[in-house]
Amino acid sequence: NAGVTQTPKFRILKIGQSMTLQCTQDMNHNYMYWYRQDPGMGLKLIYYSVGAGITDKGEVPNGYNVSRSTTEDFPLRLELAAPSQTSVYFCASSSPPGGLADTQYFGPGTRLTVL
Amino acid sequence: QKEVEQDPGPLSVPEGAIVSLNCTYSNSAFQYFMWYRQYSRKGPELLMYTYSSGNKEDGRFTAQVDKSSKYISLFIRDSQPSDSATYLCAMSTSGGSNYKLTFGKGTLLTVNP
Repeated sequence: NAGVTQTPKFRILKIGQSMTLQCTQDMNHNYMYWYRQDPGMGLKLIYYSVGAGITDKGEVPNGYNVSRSTTEDFPLRLELAAPSQTSVYFCASSSPPGGLADTQYFGPGTRLTVL
Repeated sequence: QKEVEQDPGPLSVPEGAIVSLNCTYSNSAFQYFMWYRQYSRKGPELLMYTYSSGNKEDGRFTAQVDKSSKYISLFIRDSQPSDSATYLCAMSTSGGSNYKLTFGKGTLLTVNP
């Protein structure tokens, strides 16, 4: 049971490039989330999903897109990278069977630098 | 006023000390309160989970919630160097149907041997 896995661990992008951050969970969780964490700023919710085919914006969605075609996968897409998107990105999932949805399990993060 | 306020520290204590970490909040609808621990260059992991007001104890860790004061605390007894991490408070308005957490900025704790 790997939990929540994220790839890549590190990435450097040039301004204007695109990339997809991958997130997979093997806990059969319905809910999945993408956060960004900037130094001293806590976690900001980018997008979330309550199940396959259903996604919604969080607090800071601009510049990002998501899709959820399966329960396991929740990729985050950056279309035109900007320096303001330099951050650490965390994927999380929640809702174990019979549990409360607020208990979120986090992946190890992707460190992204945009130059 | 921010929804959740947390002193970012850093906080440095000697091994064996009692540590107190705190958050205040403004949204009286928050009912579920959590503390996450985040080691350097790792993802956050859930440490404590409490519902409404009261205390919850788990080993060396005690979480307290005072909804009347909109104040939550995490106490660490007999702190160890392995407790060195960033501690994030998080809260939500309800479990199950409302799953969006509001996080504090985190407090960086260092326990010195």
